[in-house]
Amino acid sequence: GAGVSQSPSNKVTEKGKDVELRCDPISGHTALYWYRQSLGQGLEFLIYFQGNSAPDKSGLPSDRFSAERTGGSVSTLTIQRTQQEDSAVYLCASSPRTSGGVRDTQYFGPGTRLTVL
Amino acid sequence: AQSVTQPDIHITVSEGASLELRCNYSYGATPYLFWYVQSPGQGLQLLLKYFSGDTLVQGIKGFEAEFKRSQSSFNLRKPSVHWSDAAEYFCAVARSYNTDKLIFGTGTRLQVFP
Repeated sequence: GAGVSQSPSNKVTEKGKDVELRCDPISGHTALYWYRQSLGQGLEFLIYFQGNSAPDKSGLPSDRFSAERTGGSVSTLTIQRTQQEDSAVYLCASSPRTSGGVRDTQYFGPGTRLTVL
Repeated sequence: AQSVTQPDIHITVSEGASLELRCNYSYGATPYLFWYVQSPGQGLQLLLKYFSGDTLVQGIKGFEAEFKRSQSSFNLRKPSVHWSDAAEYFCAVARSYNTDKLIFGTGTRLQVFP
């Protein structure tokens, strides 16, 4: 079946604008993750959704960042008042959550490359 | 705090040569260790993982990794590299298998010459 998809693949925006990044997880996967990959950095965990539980937002770098997941499927990551340091590749992953935790493989999307001018 | 170090930012090898990518972790107890590969324009793909048991782990695409507790290392190896292995490789660690958070290293970019 289809893998994790993300849109747009590339986004260029001006400093101060808001952006929305979309993630479509693999059908049936209940866990969804957002990561940020900045130049020269590893992947940085941002937020995690599991079913109807409250999301783990502990990785969000500031209150300009928020995410929601509608109907337990599609997720949107919103960055308000973008700054140049927000430029990065934003990766989404989903997992089936059959065993729990990292025992379930995370399947990654191709990412959205965000450039803030 | 947990951390993962990949000391080599960029490695170049000839096709057919052997490969070893280094990964060191910092964590007191036995961590749960992963290697992912990211090909250009692709998402990350899991190569292999170590949770317990045999310290030599076999993965996909002919890769293997060895967990060495004494050296806090989990190095990735392949005996003969193919041009299609050119990609970025990430080591990751989780403090327990019940956590949902992976901590990633900064990656090693592999270039393969014909």
